[in-house]
Amino acid sequence: GAGVSQSPSNKVTEKGKDVELRCDPISGHTALYWYRQSLGQGLEFLIYFQGNSAPDKSGLPSDRFSAERTGGSVSTLTIQRTQQEDSAVYLCASSPNARPTNEKLFFGSGTQLSVL
Amino acid sequence: GENVEQHPSTLSVQEGDSAVIKCTYSDSASNYFPWYKQELGKGPQLIIDIRSNVGEKKDQRIAVTLNKTAKHFSLHITETQPEDSAVYFCAASRGTSYGKLTFGQGTILTVHP
Repeated sequence: GAGVSQSPSNKVTEKGKDVELRCDPISGHTALYWYRQSLGQGLEFLIYFQGNSAPDKSGLPSDRFSAERTGGSVSTLTIQRTQQEDSAVYLCASSPNARPTNEKLFFGSGTQLSVL
Repeated sequence: GENVEQHPSTLSVQEGDSAVIKCTYSDSASNYFPWYKQELGKGPQLIIDIRSNVGEKKDQRIAVTLNKTAKHFSLHITETQPEDSAVYFCAASRGTSYGKLTFGQGTILTVHP
């Protein structure tokens, strides 16, 4: 597709359940990122992938959060035992690998996660 | 770590007026400063960026200025139009060679026709 695709667009879950969020980056973009946007807040970095490796996962809030990327393309963010404070919009972005454009992020529309 | 403060949180202007949004950052090692526009229900979109070796950059009706000494940078939108209404985010990066950005809290800009 032309842009970054995320699914589902909305997810409502019960506290304690596991959820999986999916991201399909722009074709050819080797770098992929997950950010979190809480209500009324700026975006918070979670994790960075280069290919299938995650050299920077410093933003993951707890060990309940994990992410993987396969085939250098699709990525999934998994949240185990969801808590109400996990409610937020989870945004995926990708970028080309070549400087100077490697810092220019292309965002998807996000997954709105609501934990009841 | 880096901290980015953004002001104002809301800004209301009449069509045709100018709008200015300001950000300050804490990490003197930061050297890349992008601005993103987020429309309702969509992801943020890069509208302009500046690197620390440049003091000002313009692209049609938008411009960004950077004061490295004072550690602040600003977005200027001239001749505002209703379609400029959106949430604007500033961000900073220490030049990690990848897109690890620290974002400000956002400014809701409303342009009244």
